[in-house]
Amino acid sequence: GESVGLHLPTLSVQEGDNSIINCAYSNSASDYFIWYKQESGKGPQFIIDIRSNMDKRQGQRVTVLLNKTVKHLSLQIAATQPGDSAVYFCAEKAGFQKLVFGTGTRLLVSP
Amino acid sequence: DGGITQSPKYLFRKEGQNVTLSCEQNLNHDAMYWYRQDPGQGLRLIYYSQIVNDFQKGDIAEGYSVSREKKESFPLTVTSAQKNPTAFYLCASSNPGTSTDTQYFGPGTRLTVL
Repeated sequence: GESVGLHLPTLSVQEGDNSIINCAYSNSASDYFIWYKQESGKGPQFIIDIRSNMDKRQGQRVTVLLNKTVKHLSLQIAATQPGDSAVYFCAEKAGFQKLVFGTGTRLLVSP
Repeated sequence: DGGITQSPKYLFRKEGQNVTLSCEQNLNHDAMYWYRQDPGQGLRLIYYSQIVNDFQKGDIAEGYSVSREKKESFPLTVTSAQKNPTAFYLCASSNPGTSTDTQYFGPGTRLTVL
């Protein structure tokens, strides 16, 4: 498979555990945030997004938390499965400016 | 099936050659983007187009060229002027004009210079 990030921070969890992936963003004017999942050799997949007027948003097995005070975003994955193994990265956007992408975190799920 | 397609999946280029990467979308999105991805780095924007027959340089446009003759298509040419073209190239599309403007990605093309 293709490695999209040879030196990324890595989070290793056991199957069934909950995973928390963190992202610090840089622009205090950012008002829209997205989490993407990228499997080896594939394009990024949209997971969940959140607007700055919200602190929390839930999807299927995933929750995104936004702390604007410290410019921090997190992605929580419940009951992590081997198929969740991938690189996860956040993206931020301020108004009508372009999306800015983070470098990502590799999640490794062992059975 | 709605989505974004990129071809080819793998591409090999000899030094001094130009190559063109294809990107097609049937999502009826107005905007399209090309990114380059290198190990350990975030996505870097090469070119983007918000409407047919118009495009703008991104952060690393040198050595690349694009065209946007149709809404559905946004091909990227990697020219011989690009000094280090070996990378994973990603195409995306979105509907701008809203502050969310979520971008959806294609499967990518891996370009290797021999």
